[in-house]
Amino acid sequence: DAKTTQPTSMDCAEGRAANLPCNHSTISGNEYVYWYRQIHSQGPQYIIHGLKNNETNEMASLIITEDRKSSTLILPHATLRDTAVYYCIVKGSSNTGKLIFGQGTTLQVKP
Amino acid sequence: DGGITQSPKYLFRKEGQNVTLSCEQNLNHDAMYWYRQDPGQGLRLIYYSQIVNDFQKGDIAEGYSVSREKKESFPLTVTSAQKNPTAFYLCASRTSGGADTQYFGPGTRLTVL
Repeated sequence: DAKTTQPTSMDCAEGRAANLPCNHSTISGNEYVYWYRQIHSQGPQYIIHGLKNNETNEMASLIITEDRKSSTLILPHATLRDTAVYYCIVKGSSNTGKLIFGQGTTLQVKP
Repeated sequence: DGGITQSPKYLFRKEGQNVTLSCEQNLNHDAMYWYRQDPGQGLRLIYYSQIVNDFQKGDIAEGYSVSREKKESFPLTVTSAQKNPTAFYLCASRTSGGADTQYFGPGTRLTVL
């Protein structure tokens, strides 16, 4: 599975859009980009995933560059409850299905 | 309400005792996983099961055991052989086909006294 690089931390003002970047320059053609977040002392929460096309759901939007080497998770109107560690994970279908969580980006939403 | 449940939320154990953590899912997922998370660290895979009556060791299986007698249930036993059992334990289950998305339970925090 391809390695990902994310900034260690980011701040965002409440009500503004939060844009979280992720680099995955070694991604291969059949690997998906997943985003999870973990609020302190809770289990990781699935947010969104994509392969090639941009995706949107009720939580967020995922923008994947045309060369697929990077992506951006967008929380359109961040709230204080969005403060969490956000993980970008690249993974293909595999027998184990193991997810490899890196250090992620700590997003602090400020009033 | 569909999802994954783990119990208990907090668990305290004396050294030398075995303890079993519960994980139940009603998502009809075939695959289930146990991860361990230490403070400030990522998740590490302990065991996984892709189908009933079958399971495989993950990266840190020593000192742990599992069973998978029912599709819905995947209990984890932390044995006295696990040298550093204090951690946050997370159970997950996975859809199959295509993206293979995993969904996590709320976790059990185990503290050995």
